Amino acid sequence: QVQLVQSGAGVKKPGASVKVSCKASGYSFINYYIYWVRQAPGQGLEWMGLINPSDGGTSSAQKFQGRVTMTRDTSTSTLYMEVGSLRSDDTAVYYCARLLPAARGSALDIWGQGTLVTVSS
Amino acid sequence: QSVLTQPPSASGTPGQRVTISCSGSSSNIGANVVNWYQQLPGTAPKLLIYSNSQRPSGVPDRFSGSKSGTSASLAISGLQSEDETDYYCAAWDDSLSGVIFGGGTKLTVL
Repeated sequence: QVQLVQSGAGVKKPGASVKVSCKASGYSFINYYIYWVRQAPGQGLEWMGLINPSDGGTSSAQKFQGRVTMTRDTSTSTLYMEVGSLRSDDTAVYYCARLLPAARGSALDIWGQGTLVTVSS
Repeated sequence: QSVLTQPPSASGTPGQRVTISCSGSSSNIGANVVNWYQQLPGTAPKLLIYSNSQRPSGVPDRFSGSKSGTSASLAISGLQSEDETDYYCAAWDDSLSGVIFGGGTKLTVL
């Protein structure tokens, strides 16, 4: 079935970086953009950026520019998002999600299970 | 603070019809489609409505969406206990060149 499976939870120290993976299966990997969205504890959803798996092109929200790197490995159908210079307010569940084409509202129809990243000294 | 404004909470009794509003501006809802997500506790969001009013396969027709100008609404009819959870609206914002979400609405079934 169509699914996105993310890497496991982790604890990082302030100033460190974290790399979250998202493995796609059950569909044509290069045909769908992937969004990264995070959710701080008890808070709402926040869009971080997107990647085009076909050519690796990316776009990120202004607040994350320079601190977030999104990449992909087409040989394994895996997406990666690395967040650097972690702060305590980066503690959140990070999700990858598949973007439907514009004809279907550019909606996020398949989500990974989420990866909890805790930033703590 | 979210660019899309939702009421933080809503409530209704079983069988009732409730609506959740989502207010934006000309650069987001006014210019682009609205999607709605349902998020059960401890789980990833689930697509509930796309392109303002379309339901993905498997979503009951008790859920419906609409959009007018710079606002959108999610309506849930025949309210059931399992509808008690969080709901988020989302739209692309042309000014920010990114997706924005509403702050979320927690629905309580009394």
